[in-house]
Amino acid sequence: QSALTQPASVSGSPGQSITISCTGASSDIGGYNYVSWYQQHPGKAPKLMIYDVSDRPSGVSNRFSGSKSGNTASLTISGLQAEDEADYYCSSYTSSRILVFGGGTKLTVL
Amino acid sequence: EVRLVESGGGLVQPGGSLRLSCEASGFTITSSWMHWVRQAPGKGLVWISRINTDGATTNYADSVKGRFTISRDTAKNTVYLQMNSLRVEDTAVYYCGRGPGSHSDYWGQGTLVTVSS
Repeated sequence: QSALTQPASVSGSPGQSITISCTGASSDIGGYNYVSWYQQHPGKAPKLMIYDVSDRPSGVSNRFSGSKSGNTASLTISGLQAEDEADYYCSSYTSSRILVFGGGTKLTVL
Repeated sequence: EVRLVESGGGLVQPGGSLRLSCEASGFTITSSWMHWVRQAPGKGLVWISRINTDGATTNYADSVKGRFTISRDTAKNTVYLQMNSLRVEDTAVYYCGRGPGSHSDYWGQGTLVTVSS
């Protein structure tokens, strides 16, 4: 099972919006509404930000939103803040009954 | 409060074995799927394994299938990852997480496994 494809890095200025893409296949992202997104600060455990494509866990800012079109999922962060600077990972359930992560995207807030 | 505490990491030689533990509190492991993921130094997250709510279903990434085994002890509310035939490329921080089968909503702080001669 190949890893999902994410851009290595994205950047934006405070207040702006950014979008991180996550591309898979019909056997994972395209076939199921089980895409999740995690935020990870250096040296810390991952934190769930989005699950089931577009649902937000309690306590996660509504500045974070998720969507999916075909085999590509996206995470959008609006009103960018300095604390959003972190690594972001997408994940999907697959037809092999396992999960797969993307390679991760480093978000820099300029 | 949901809490997950991993333990059992350390230094092991190639070909050796190690058993990781993930002690859960604030919920019972019979109510959630439990996952293991790992992160090699400076690299991304990699999903490794999961076990379902009744313990009857387990799944593994191809990279560890046949070498790693996930199990649990409901009396101790603890999940385990038995790792055999360890390779240098298994060196990573190992995290356990709980959730439905498709994602994890809580993660532990991880335990470091180093495979080196």
